Amino acid sequence: NAGVTQTPKFQVLKTGQSMTLQCAQDMNHEYMSWYRQDPGMGLRLIHYSVGAGITDQGEVPNGYNVSRSTTEDFPLRLLSAAPSQTSVYFCASSEPHKNTEAFFGQGTRLTVV
Amino acid sequence: EDKVVQSPLSLVVHEGDTVTLNCSYEVTNFRSLLWYKQEKKAPTFLFMLTSSGIEKKSGRLSSILDKKELFSILNITATQTGDSAIYLCAGGTSYGKLTFGQGTILTVHP
Repeated sequence: NAGVTQTPKFQVLKTGQSMTLQCAQDMNHEYMSWYRQDPGMGLRLIHYSVGAGITDQGEVPNGYNVSRSTTEDFPLRLLSAAPSQTSVYFCASSEPHKNTEAFFGQGTRLTVV
Repeated sequence: EDKVVQSPLSLVVHEGDTVTLNCSYEVTNFRSLLWYKQEKKAPTFLFMLTSSGIEKKSGRLSSILDKKELFSILNITATQTGDSAIYLCAGGTSYGKLTFGQGTILTVHP
């Protein structure tokens, strides 16, 4: 099983550029989320979705958009990249009704110059 | 706003030592407390705790939850250099949302 797949693994952007981080899961999980990880900050929640068509903001949503048109996919869009968005991004999915743990993608290391 | 606090933030020990990592939480609609280990890549799952007082064990690692005092501990006995990692705890809600703590950086010297 592929689990949670994130692309790309690495990306360098110039300030002001836009891009989309892709996340797909093949476990039919209802819940999906995006986190960013900075040194000493743990994982901070950006946006999350409890099902197709439903999204909500997390702790640090500014500068990011999401959509959930299908159960499988949960892309994260950076509209106008800023150096403060340099970070490692993780996508995760889980099935809360089965009380399972969250499964993580392998991460995207983003550098904004 | 949900909040999870871990302590200590960093810890340096020698092989064979026993360590205790702490996690306190304030999570609305709390359902579970999760522990993850992270070694340079994605976090890997260790434990999920939903009931107070029931210890979960996996080899040299064990964890317990206190839902009255809102905290959990992760114990690692007879530490090895391979235990060096960031240990993350997270409070989970009934609909799946996880709030993570800052993490504890554990360094185990030979």
